[in-house]
Amino acid sequence: ETGVTQSPTHLIKTRGQQVTLRCSSQSGHNTVSWYQQALGQGPQFIFQYYREEENGRGNFPPRFSGLQFPNYSSELNVNALELDDSALYLCASSLEVHAYEQYFGPGTRLTVT
Amino acid sequence: AQTVTQSQPEMSVQEAETVTLSCTYDTSENNYYLFWYKQPPSRQMILVIRQEAYKQQNATENRFSVNFQKAAKSFSLKISDSQLGDTAMYFCAFMKHSSNTGKLIFGQGTTLQVKP
Repeated sequence: ETGVTQSPTHLIKTRGQQVTLRCSSQSGHNTVSWYQQALGQGPQFIFQYYREEENGRGNFPPRFSGLQFPNYSSELNVNALELDDSALYLCASSLEVHAYEQYFGPGTRLTVT
Repeated sequence: AQTVTQSQPEMSVQEAETVTLSCTYDTSENNYYLFWYKQPPSRQMILVIRQEAYKQQNATENRFSVNFQKAAKSFSLKISDSQLGDTAMYFCAFMKHSSNTGKLIFGQGTTLQVKP
């Protein structure tokens, strides 16, 4: 059974640029959630995708958007990067929307300069 | 809105000793889940233990146990026989039982260092 994977591991971007982060869910999981974790803080919920549709969103602006593909892998896109977007981005997959067990990937460290 | 508070930014413990990490939360929900996650330097968030609010019995997983006080909205984690591999950041998290999104709400974290 393959766990949750994320790519890339690290990324450096310039303010104003756009970035795409990728997540492959654990085998059999149809739900992916994205979290932003600022340095020294707890993760904050960005949004969740279930069967290719957005299913709930946290307090993040529209320049944070996502996709989920038929194989349930997912992308997080951030436009017009700001310095405060520098963070660890975590994705988590679960069997269903209501499943309380979420399996996290190792994260992508994004640095915006 | 639900909030989760961890008031201990950093803690340390000697190897083989016992340590307790504190967590309080605020919610008007009656049914919910509480979790403790461990995040080692490798960054991968790992579930340590889970508690269902409707269960009065405190959850236990090997060396890890919780003290769940529903009325006080308190959920502490006790680590017995601490090991060097327990060194990590620990997060307390909350999820509504009836949530349509399975959204986890995390506390600020407690950095635990286990000393040899």
